[in-house]
Amino acid sequence: QQQVKQSPQSLIVQKGGISIINCAYENTAFDYFPWYQQFPGKGPALLIAIRPDVSEKKEGRFTISFNKSAKQFSLHIMDSQPGDSATYFCAATDSWGKLQFGAGTQVVVTP
Amino acid sequence: NAGVTQTPKFQVLKTGQSMTLQCAQDMNHNSMYWYRQDPGMGLRLIYYSASEGTTDKGEVPNGYNVSRLNKREFSLRLESAAPSQTSVYFCASSELRNTEAFFGQGTRLTVV
Repeated sequence: QQQVKQSPQSLIVQKGGISIINCAYENTAFDYFPWYQQFPGKGPALLIAIRPDVSEKKEGRFTISFNKSAKQFSLHIMDSQPGDSATYFCAATDSWGKLQFGAGTQVVVTP
Repeated sequence: NAGVTQTPKFQVLKTGQSMTLQCAQDMNHNSMYWYRQDPGMGLRLIYYSASEGTTDKGEVPNGYNVSRLNKREFSLRLESAAPSQTSVYFCASSELRNTEAFFGQGTRLTVV
């Protein structure tokens, strides 16, 4: 049973639009929340990460929002570009070092 | 700088055969991980090693064994392959448990 639940499974957004991916967790031992981006045939690569003492982190067009009390966090991709078409995974690490992933969201950005 | 190197890239096994997937990192990282990726399931943790000499089970360890040979290398062994182990396997490493993990290119394994 996956400890990090991710939605939606897929989404289609027009160029210039906003993509939003949501994740939820139950394990309060999680203390590091990264997002990974994966292109076909490649391994995942870190996109952006947040720690639970921060409610928001922005890097360029990518923003993580974190709600510790609700045990939820989300990724916002602003001004989506065709090059952003990929699969995105949320993840979480607990105090024992287990890095666990959500099921992934396939994002397609149409021209 | 090679990063995380996995071998082989592709493998076809017959049911019941055994094999070892190799992983090596050249970043002097402490933590290493093995994942399998299946459609709609994301990346599921098989085993991980927080430091040299330690290993621990992840979400789906049944049918697998691991060895943290030294700080650089973390191998995954299938003793008796089953069709349910058909998957793409990824090795990853990170300096510490809550820092960026770097992934290899993956091994596509088919068990027939």
